[in-house]
Amino acid sequence: GAGVSQSPRYKVAKRGQDVALRCDPISGHVSLFWYQQALGQGPEFLTYFQNEAQLDKSGLPSDRFFAERPEGSVSTLKIQRTQQEDSAVYLCASSLVVASGSLHTQYFGPGTRLTVL
Amino acid sequence: AQKITQTQPGMFVQEKEAVTLDCTYDTSDPSYGLFWYKQPSSGEMIFLIYQGSYDQQNATEGRYSLNFQKARKSANLVISASQLGDSAMYFCAIRPRSGSRLTFGEGTQLTVNP
Repeated sequence: GAGVSQSPRYKVAKRGQDVALRCDPISGHVSLFWYQQALGQGPEFLTYFQNEAQLDKSGLPSDRFFAERPEGSVSTLKIQRTQQEDSAVYLCASSLVVASGSLHTQYFGPGTRLTVL
Repeated sequence: AQKITQTQPGMFVQEKEAVTLDCTYDTSDPSYGLFWYKQPSSGEMIFLIYQGSYDQQNATEGRYSLNFQKARKSANLVISASQLGDSAMYFCAIRPRSGSRLTFGEGTQLTVNP
């Protein structure tokens, strides 16, 4: 079946612009995650949804970052007033469920490479 | 809090040989999962293999196996019969059973030489 898809794959923004990054999870996957990967580093957690509920947003670096998943499927990560330090690859992942006692694998999309000039 | 340490920034291996990529971890959670992902230059994170902390046997998946030593807090990835297509960045990650997020190491860049 189809994997996780993300769009756009590449985004160039001028400093101060707002951007929106989209994630389509694997069909039927309840849990959705956003990670940020700086160049040469491992991904770092941003936020997590179970269905439409955002259960953990402790990794969002500032209040300029906002994520939503209004219908429990597609998710959008929005960054307002982009800064150069926001330049990174933004990875989306989905899994069947994250619940106490489960350790379902997270499957990742291809990422969106954001460059802020 | 969880922590993953990958001490090998780069590794080289000859085609058809086996290679071990090191991963040590730190966690206070009694139950957790350890994951390995492959990231080729295209950027996608590809899931390779999973090991649960209470699993009795080491995980295997085709040419991938996980050498899990719980007392030493290590979860090394072994790739047998390396192929040119194995050249990529490899990340070790941990998630506690009670939590949701994956915590990644900094990765190891594997190069397979012909």
